[in-house]
Amino acid sequence: QSVLTQPPSASGTPGQRVTISCSGSSSNIGSNYVYWYQQLPGTAPKLLIYRNNQRPSGVPDRFSGSKSGTSASLAISGLRSEDEADYYCAAWDDSLSGYWVFGGGTKLTVL
Amino acid sequence: QLQLQESGPGLVKPSETLSLTCTVSGGSISSSSYYWGWIRQPPGKGLEWIGSIYYSGSTYYNPSLKSRVTISVDTSKNQFSLKLSSVTAADTAVYYCARHKRVTPPDYWGQGTLVTVSS
Repeated sequence: QSVLTQPPSASGTPGQRVTISCSGSSSNIGSNYVYWYQQLPGTAPKLLIYRNNQRPSGVPDRFSGSKSGTSASLAISGLRSEDEADYYCAAWDDSLSGYWVFGGGTKLTVL
Repeated sequence: QLQLQESGPGLVKPSETLSLTCTVSGGSISSSSYYWGWIRQPPGKGLEWIGSIYYSGSTYYNPSLKSRVTISVDTSKNQFSLKLSSVTAADTAVYYCARHKRVTPPDYWGQGTLVTVSS
């Protein structure tokens, strides 16, 4: 059971806009930045969004992040076949001594 | 270009200790800016942060695994290591080593290594 909650699956057709949600609590998303990773099959995760809505260099502006309260969202516009992957949210959790927590992941299918 | 490479046995027996090493190349593990961590991913499941270490030896662990985990660093070899004791089938996973800053999650990852716990 992951600390952050994501829908297990999402889908869209090429060109569409899809969003993936990530729900947490006051000790993680509610008080810290949210990060998003993209994991293509058989590869290590790649940082997609940092500090809620910032993109590392090289990440297309089709990817955007937002946060409100204890929830966050990743939006992908102009969906492309190569976006088919697993997406994970992450945040620092202030409880106990503090530790990194992840969502369970959302498998995005491009129909 | 920074590279991280995990190494260690791919098969561990139940109740034994899982041991993995991460070799860092293209950069110094003694950099004052970074922590070095371990994350795992059971087959078909999500990511779980295990713990991290600073080059000075300072560590912090996932509370759910803390009692079984030890992470150490060898700056002379530019390596850091993971030991997970008393393993069960639930510890079967791809184990990744990674680099991150204290206040950010990993930005550089190794390719991952599958460790299976089975007799």
